[in-house]
Amino acid sequence: AQTVTQSQPEMSVQEAETVTLSCTYDTSESDYYLFWYKQPPSRQMILVIRQEAYKQQNATENRFSVNFQKAAKSFSLKISDSQLGDAAMYFCAYKSAETSGSRLTFGEGTQLTVNP
Amino acid sequence: DGGITQSPKYLFRKEGQNVTLSCEQNLNHDAMYWYRQDPGQGLRLIYYSQIVNDFQKGDIAEGYSVSREKKESFPLTVTSAQKNPTAFYLCASSIYGDRVSMNTEAFFGQGTRLTVV
Repeated sequence: AQTVTQSQPEMSVQEAETVTLSCTYDTSESDYYLFWYKQPPSRQMILVIRQEAYKQQNATENRFSVNFQKAAKSFSLKISDSQLGDAAMYFCAYKSAETSGSRLTFGEGTQLTVNP
Repeated sequence: DGGITQSPKYLFRKEGQNVTLSCEQNLNHDAMYWYRQDPGQGLRLIYYSQIVNDFQKGDIAEGYSVSREKKESFPLTVTSAQKNPTAFYLCASSIYGDRVSMNTEAFFGQGTRLTVV
């Protein structure tokens, strides 16, 4: 079974600075998807960014970008120009593309604090 | 508007009672999921369903049951066998994931907070 590990329970960053959240995963599959979700205090899960494993190019969404290292099974999230609204719990998630409609596995989350 | 709806938002259960959490989606998604979230922790998978009339156990299925009689609905019953049911429950759905599709992410409901009193 696949596992997802987020080794940083808490992180903090100054407003306008850059922060990187770490995620590693374990899988024997070659085709899969990786996601970062954000959960603000409202507890609504919001998709931040997605990456297809067969694409070598790192995904980017405005201030959010990933560093996808397939061989190392690493998928970190970089938030540039951090804003107060970025404060939330961030979850890394894995979904197989080899097993149709497969389960979605989450890491334990990283609580991000943004200091003004 | 398309989306996924969970109800109720807050639910109180007496010990020994079964309760059912509702999850409905109008996104025409094939797969649906139930997760449990405890304070300060990640999402643990309870059950998931890929198609109507079929579902699989997740990592913490004991004390829970589900049904998938309609594509749009995936209710979760928390039974009296679940010893520690107080938690936040999230329902999600996604399309049939494949290599071509770009929209493989899961969409989430707003959650149900269950408290045992």
